[in-house]
Formats: sequence, structure tokens, C-alpha cells
Amino acid sequence: EVQLVESGGGLVQPGRSLKLSCAASGFTFSNYGMAWVRQAPTKGLEWVATISYDGSSTYYRDSVKGRFTISRDNAKSTLYLQMDSLRSEDTATYYCARHGWEAYYFDYWGQGVMVTVSS
Amino acid sequence: DIQMTQSPASLSASLGETVTIECLASEDIYSNLAWYQQKPGKSPQLLIYYANSLNDGVPSRFSGSGSGTQYSLKINSLQSEDVSIYFCQQNYDSPYTFGAGTKLELK
Repeated sequence: EVQLVESGGGLVQPGRSLKLSCAASGFTFSNYGMAWVRQAPTKGLEWVATISYDGSSTYYRDSVKGRFTISRDNAKSTLYLQMDSLRSEDTATYYCARHGWEAYYFDYWGQGVMVTVSS
Repeated sequence: DIQMTQSPASLSASLGETVTIECLASEDIYSNLAWYQQKPGKSPQLLIYYANSLNDGVPSRFSGSGSGTQYSLKINSLQSEDVSIYFCQQNYDSPYTFGAGTKLELK
């Protein structure tokens, strides 16, 4: 059974940093692209970043480019999102998601972790 | 960025009814369209990918169709467990954008 379990969320002041983790199990992690998708309270879904199966390629939405860094450790089957210079508009539930095979839809999602940016 | 316009924003239907949700892309996305279901307090789940391919374990009353810029999700014989928010997503080009969602309720 595929499982994605996020951790690392919480309350953080504007301008500070936070690092999210996503522990994957039930599949060969190193074979799949992975992503972070967020959802602000009572809002829709917003793709944040994607990393290729081997970590060689990364993609970001413009609003987080230069502030967020997606990375992975295939030996630990873990995905990360380093979030720096956080803003109030980054407040959201962050989901770890697996990309479909050689595609960019999301076939498995974690339960999500809440990030609140507030003073 | 490719804009995804989803309609209607909300929908009320009776048990056993057939409902259709539409998604319009701002440019051709060549059937790279996925549909997700999100129940209250839960993470989204993939229903349909490549516009009309049913994900494993999804009931056959769900179906997807469309091409080019116009796509639709149809739910036949509506069940109580189908009460959810439904999102479309284009996965043709980055940034991978979602529709605003359709909230489906029982009448």
C-alpha cells in the first residue's frame, strides 16, 4: 500500500524558515517524480514544486521560486521542502504527492501538513 | 500559465441522478487532464487521468471525456458518498494548474 506521511508543519513568523518532510513507503520511491501541492484554508489546490525521480530536475511555481527548495533522499525514501522567507500568503495545508508514471498528474497524496505564517 | 475554468462552482443533485462537471482550458492541453475528488477534511484522490482513463478502484459510474480545451466529468447514478468537491487539473505544462473546484451536494 502506497503511503505518504508529511511532517514538519507548524506556526512560523513571516520571514522565517520551515522544512517539511514526506516519508514514502509501499512503492519504489526512486522510480517516481514527486511534488508538493498546497491548499490555503477554504481555497483551491495550487501546485508548488516538482522533482524528478532522480533529483536531477526541479520545477517551481513563480511565487515560490528562489524561496522554496524541493529535494529528495532516495536512500531514505523521503521528500523535502525547504521553505525560506515565508510570507502570510504561504499559509496552507501542504500535501506531498506522487506523480503518475512519466506524467504530471498526482496519483497518490499524503494526509497534508498545516503551515501557518503569522506574527 | 494555462487557466482552467471549471463549472459550475456548486451543484445540487438527487440520489440516482446523473451530473456533469465541465472544465475549460485556456489553450489546447492535448488530453493531459485529470479529475480529483476531495471529501471534507481529506486529501484529494485521483479519479480520472488522460481525460478518460479511470484510476484503479474508482467506481465505473465516474467517467471523463473531452479533448483540446474542453473536458467533462460525468457521474452516473449519484450516490451519497459522492458528496465532495471535484477539481480538474491540467498536467500538460508547468505550472500545473487546477480548476477552482465544484462543490457537489445532495438535494
